[in-house]
Amino acid sequence: DAMVIQNPRYQVTQFGKPVTLSCSQTLNHNVMYWYQQKSSQAPKLLFHYYDKDFNNEADTPDNFQSRRPNTSFCFLDIRSPGLGDAAMYLCATLRDPSYQETQYFGPGTRLLVL
Amino acid sequence: AQSVTQPDIHITVSEGASLELRCNYSYGATPYLFWYVQSPGQGLQLLLKYFSGDTLVQGIKGFEAEFKRSQSSFNLRKPSVHWSDAAEYFCAVGAIEGGTSYGKLTFGQGTILTVHP
Repeated sequence: DAMVIQNPRYQVTQFGKPVTLSCSQTLNHNVMYWYQQKSSQAPKLLFHYYDKDFNNEADTPDNFQSRRPNTSFCFLDIRSPGLGDAAMYLCATLRDPSYQETQYFGPGTRLLVL
Repeated sequence: AQSVTQPDIHITVSEGASLELRCNYSYGATPYLFWYVQSPGQGLQLLLKYFSGDTLVQGIKGFEAEFKRSQSSFNLRKPSVHWSDAAEYFCAVGAIEGGTSYGKLTFGQGTILTVHP
């Protein structure tokens, strides 16, 4: 009964080779988030979708893009990964921020850049 | 802008001892506050949350936290720590205003808990 699913759990890519991380949810939540968590650091929000409304954080590099083709799925695209992009990428969902709700996190995808 | 400070980067306790992890926040309105736990290589698991009402909140695994508005704090406590509690703990504050915030979380830097047998 997994609610927020991330695939793959581990991803190895080469420097500069585009990579896509996937997140799906069975909760029918309106909001989906992508966080980047580097080793020994706090998760940092990259961007989020409220339905189809995309919101980018001001300091998210242009190298990072996202797509949400439907309610259930959200993708993180890294166009040209650098060594500094190696991190755990966490997807989270929220039913609606106007309610007293909790974000549900997926297990994360650990990205290694060679 | 909201912010969270966890003053202790690393805490070591003996199994069976009590635990308190500190969290201070900065937020312009009544905050939504959360504690999450993360085991190595895993995602974040919610321990407890505060939205309103009773300032002492109970969570899973025997954890509790107390919201103190006057001190801008939301410290996590457990009366008796188990070896399985060893993990990293994150305090977070949630934005509730509309516009582009949409419930985004701001996390503290985390506190690593080591439990000695």
